[in-house]
Order: sequence, then structure tokens, then C-alpha cells
Amino acid sequence: DTAVSQTPKYLVTQMGNDKSIKCEQNLGHDTMYWYKQDSKKFLKIMFSYNNKELIINETVPNRFSPKSPDKAHLNLHINSLELGDSAVYFCASSQPPGQGNTEAFFGQGTRLTVV
Amino acid sequence: AQSVTQLDSQVPVFEEAPVELRCNYSSSVSVYLFWYVQYPNQGLQLLLKYLSGSTLVKGINGFEAEFNKSQTSFHLRKPSVHISDTAEYFCAVSESPNDYKLSFGAGTTVTVRA
Repeated sequence: DTAVSQTPKYLVTQMGNDKSIKCEQNLGHDTMYWYKQDSKKFLKIMFSYNNKELIINETVPNRFSPKSPDKAHLNLHINSLELGDSAVYFCASSQPPGQGNTEAFFGQGTRLTVV
Repeated sequence: AQSVTQLDSQVPVFEEAPVELRCNYSSSVSVYLFWYVQYPNQGLQLLLKYLSGSTLVKGINGFEAEFNKSQTSFHLRKPSVHISDTAEYFCAVSESPNDYKLSFGAGTTVTVRA
């Protein structure tokens, strides 16, 4: 079973459209994250949720809206897509340090291409 | 705030040769340190981590890293690389006691040639 799964794996869309990326983890973790990897492969955190509550928002444009219907899911909705949003988006999950989990687990990534 | 510097953006290496990837971080508090690997068109896979204890940590695929607090470094090494080690390697740091929010370095591209 895949621990952290994202859908879709690839997404090609036109500028101005609205799209969503879904993420689910079956590890029982309380915390989930979204990271963005740009064309130069630089990875930067976007959001972090703990038990469905937003705890980190790293100055991401408000066109990006994460939604966590339950602690196993963290979806990323993007409005009015721009060319600069093209990137690979990674979902991850973890438990707090000291609670039997010693790392963050990553999904396989969603490659978003805006044309 | 912490930052992570990977000193080498590209490292070409011949098969069966050793490799070292350098990573330095800046932080005023205790940190957790990680190396992740990203194979072409794949997600991120944890190679190894330092949380506490022995400063020499061993990971998967024959990799190891040494935490040096005085030099704020966490260099990754492998004594003999294979073609299959061709990948992007990321050093990452977390200083949060509550989660594994990671700050990543810019990555090092390792290309192994026969």
C-alpha cells in the first residue's frame, strides 16, 4: 500500500483555470504538508496542517488554498493558474518528533504544467 | 531561521569511485538533519537521518553521513558508487520540536559514469 498518495501524477492545464491536487496518507499521521519544487529543483514548503488545522503558510499567494477534510487528507486547490505555477508539488506527512515517527514521508509528486 | 547550503550543485563521478556531498546548515537551536534522494522522475526517498546520538549515521544503499556540530555540517558519503546512484540529493534540516517542517538545500546532481 502506498503510504502517501497524490493524484493526479501529471496535470496540464491552461492559464486562468482552477485545479485541485489531492493527497491522502494511510500512516495515521497528524501533520501533513505541501512542498513546491521549481524548475531548478529547489524545494520549498508551502503549507503545513496539523489535525486539520493550518499551522504554516509560507507566504504563498492566496490563489493557493489547502483544504483538509480530515487528518488523512490534504488537498491543494489553485485558482486562476499562472505560468509560474508550473512545478512539481509534493505532499508529505509526519508525526511530531518523539512520537514514534522519525521522518516525513513524501508522495510521488504532481507535475503541474500551465500553458 | 535556518538555511541549508549544499556546496556542490553537480558532482560527476566514475562508477566504483567514492563520492562526498557537502551540506552545511545555519541554526541557533538543535536540529534534525536528513538526506533525501530523488531519482529521475520520482518522488523523494529518505536516505538517512540524524536525530540524536551517534554522529555517524548509516542509511540505505551504502550511504552514510556524519553530523559535525562545531562545523554545522552533515556531509554525505558513499565509498563506491553505482550507475544506479545517479540522482538528485537533497540535504534538509528541521528545527521545529513539533513537526518535520523541512528546509531543503538546493540539491546536488550526482551523475555516475561507467
